[in-house]
This record gives sequence, structure tokens and C-alpha cells, in this order.
Amino acid sequence: GQQVMQIPQYQHVQEGEDFTTYCNSSTTLSNIQWYKQRPGGHPVFLIQLVKSGEVKKQKRLTFQFGEAKKNSSLHITATQTTDVGTYFCAGPGNTDKLIFGTGTRLQVFP
Amino acid sequence: DTGVSQDPRHKITKRGQNVTFRCDPISEHNRLYWYRQTLGQGPEFLTYFQNEAQLEKSRLLSDRFSAERPKGSFSTLEIQRTEQGDSAMYLCASSFGADTNYGYTFGSGTRLTVV
Repeated sequence: GQQVMQIPQYQHVQEGEDFTTYCNSSTTLSNIQWYKQRPGGHPVFLIQLVKSGEVKKQKRLTFQFGEAKKNSSLHITATQTTDVGTYFCAGPGNTDKLIFGTGTRLQVFP
Repeated sequence: DTGVSQDPRHKITKRGQNVTFRCDPISEHNRLYWYRQTLGQGPEFLTYFQNEAQLEKSRLLSDRFSAERPKGSFSTLEIQRTEQGDSAMYLCASSFGADTNYGYTFGSGTRLTVV
């Protein structure tokens, strides 16, 4: 079945450092979504990418969809303690439901 | 307030007992999803509804699990004869059709502990 993998599994950074998580799908995706889950919380939708090679920015967050539409990345510039949480990518399976990635847990030390 | 409500927030039950969870989606959303999440893992798809029709069930959903969405509004997820392996966070999410521009809206989840 379709698999969505993310690396790294964990990332610890000093506040102010940059952070990147990578997402790889075993199949081509029509779109990719990103979610953030704070410790003890639930996933919250961040953004959707649809076009090959698309790049979108939300303040310090930059999202990219690969040319082959099988991979994506999320880059955070100058991390802050409020960025702490687990970041999931998700893509539609062979039906409409989302298949979530394995997640990258970000810890930011002040 | 996320707009998707789940009840209860926590449930502790003895092995072999039946449990039922409820999800109230955002009223304008016609799609409702159930996911299960264990510690350190991403949400795993269980089942989803469009209006009152259950369109897909995961192979993870054994015959001990049943979900309903009468009248296309709230949904219930029942687990019969609970096992320790059922311990997890059960997340409900809703969306407006297949329009993913705004993603899924998740509820706060029901944390099930089977002892």
C-alpha cells in the first residue's frame, strides 16, 4: 500500500537555528498537505500544495512540492519555542482519504 | 474551539468491555473521518463517511469496530470486546466534500486506555 515517510524522526535545535523536514511518498500525489501537532494536541492544517515544483511561504515557514510530486519539504527559518511540535505531511491515498506521514518531532531549546 | 467536538476526552475501560465515542463535525462539512493515533506515530485512517454513507473502511478496522453516521450529522465509533492493543487516541476530522484547500479539521480526540 501507499506509504509516506518523513525524515528526520526527531530534530532538536537551538532557538534561532533553521529546521527542515522531508517527506517522501511511494506514489505520485495529486496534492500534499502539512499539519502541525503540538504536544498533547491534535493535528492542525497548515497548507496544501498542488502544483509540481510549487513553493509557498507562511512567515518563517517555506513549503515545497517536488517536481515529480512524490516529495515535499518544510523549512522553518530562525526557529522559535512556539514552533515546538510534530510536523506531518499527508497525501491522498488511492481514494480520497489522507495518508499521513510518520512525522518529524521538533524540539527547540531557548 | 476547533469546531469538531469529540466526547469523551478520556476513557479508561477494562479489557473485554465495549466503548462508544461520539464526534460532532463542523455543521457545513459533509465528510467525516475517523483516525487512530498511537504515541510517536502519525494518524492512521480507520473509516470515513460522506453524509450518512460509509464510503471506506480500513483493513485496520476489525469486526470489533463499527462506525455510524445516522442522518449525516454526528458519528459514533464503537469498539466491542476491547483489547489492550486498542489503547490509542481516536481522532475525528471533518471536511467539505473532497475540497482539500482547507484541509481536515480535527477534533481534540478521545484517548482510550484499556486496562
